[in-house]
Amino acid sequence: SQTIHQWPATLVQPVGSPLSLECTVEGTSNPNLYWYRQAAGRGLQLLFYSVGIGQISSEVPQNLSASRPQDRQFILSSKKLLLSDSGFYLCAQGGERVRNTEAFFGQGTRLTVV
Amino acid sequence: RKEVEQDPGPFNVPEGATVAFNCTYSNSASQSFFWYRQDCRKEPKLLMSVYSSGNEDGRFTAQLNRASQYISLLIRDSKLSDSATYLCVVIATDSWGKLQFGAGTQVVVTP
Repeated sequence: SQTIHQWPATLVQPVGSPLSLECTVEGTSNPNLYWYRQAAGRGLQLLFYSVGIGQISSEVPQNLSASRPQDRQFILSSKKLLLSDSGFYLCAQGGERVRNTEAFFGQGTRLTVV
Repeated sequence: RKEVEQDPGPFNVPEGATVAFNCTYSNSASQSFFWYRQDCRKEPKLLMSVYSSGNEDGRFTAQLNRASQYISLLIRDSKLSDSATYLCVVIATDSWGKLQFGAGTQVVVTP
């Protein structure tokens, strides 16, 4: 069965500092991977998705970037954090069109930029 | 117009009552549908898939209306533990498998 590891669970970072959030998946190969952000009391906003190694699509212009160096690894980064980057960041795997699979989420990283 | 829309609620439901709410989608090529549950400060978790013929899982019933392009979730005999935000998710055949999330419907079950 699929397992998604996401860390850290909680992070407090100063404005202007860099960010690196890592997500790894187990139990599947060539997964679709996603990064979502959820602001307090709001819905899920898709930030990036990836259908394969080195393939990254961005949904919204922002201060963040993503990379997929390995099949089962998805990284969210920022060179300089903004206050508006605070939120709950979720990595997800799934949604393959052919198999119409549901998505599985990591436990999330709660980022507070101070 | 958003691709997936939900009534944000909250739906305040007495314990033991029935509550139902819908999720509308705009892409007629939508093929797969799911309901997720999200507890406060936690990740969303799959509640159930939604099949064309409708399906039931215990106290939860999901239905799909393709003609009107909406899915519904009904919760019978509500429990306090059903309090959560319910997210609908849609995947379209004309996408690469992109998940479209609704913003969620909050349900609050009261004693």
